Amino acid sequence: QVQLVESGGDLVKPGGSLRLSCAASGFTVTDYYMGWIRQAPGKGLEWISYISYSGHDINYEDSVRGRFTVSVDNAKNSFYLQMNSLRVEDTAIYYCASGDQVREPDFWGQGTLVTVSS
Amino acid sequence: EVVMTQSPLSLPVTLGQAASISCRSTQGLVYETGKTFLSWFHQRPGQSPRRLIYQVSNRASGVPDRFSGGGSGTDFTLKISRVEAEDVGVYYCMQGTHWPWTFGRGTKVEIK
Repeated sequence: QVQLVESGGDLVKPGGSLRLSCAASGFTVTDYYMGWIRQAPGKGLEWISYISYSGHDINYEDSVRGRFTVSVDNAKNSFYLQMNSLRVEDTAIYYCASGDQVREPDFWGQGTLVTVSS
Repeated sequence: EVVMTQSPLSLPVTLGQAASISCRSTQGLVYETGKTFLSWFHQRPGQSPRRLIYQVSNRASGVPDRFSGGGSGTDFTLKISRVEAEDVGVYYCMQGTHWPWTFGRGTKVEIK
């Protein structure tokens, strides 16, 4: 059974850092691209990044580029989102997602809440 | 950035009746491979989104056949032939052709 489980969400002050993890089971991350999508409280969905299984194909949405870094650890069958210089507007539930084509994801994690507040 | 405009944003429906949601993109969504990456997702309160439709008209695994997707170019539609109680929630269209991939604002479906 395919499963994605996020962890690492927390309350952090503006300017702080956080590292989110996404552990995959039921498939290997080397088979797929993986992505991160966020949803601010009561708002819609926003793609922020994706990464290839090799780690060589990566992209970021403009508002997080230079602050967030995505990576993959094939040995742990997991991928990560390192978030630096966090802003209040980064407050959201962060979902990891994947599928045969990450650009139309059919596997989603349950989400992890990141709250940026002083 | 490609903007996805959904309408209506709120859709009260009667059980057993049909429902339709429109999604319009500001650019064409045909990718270099010839595929059109337009998907539809359903999100219930407190849950993760679930993919219903991919590449305009393909139903995802386990999705009832009362859901159908169609359209081309910049105009797309999700139809529910007979709404059931479990269909309430927010529906999002999403384009996966032009980065950043973008979602519509969502259409909230509720039972009258």
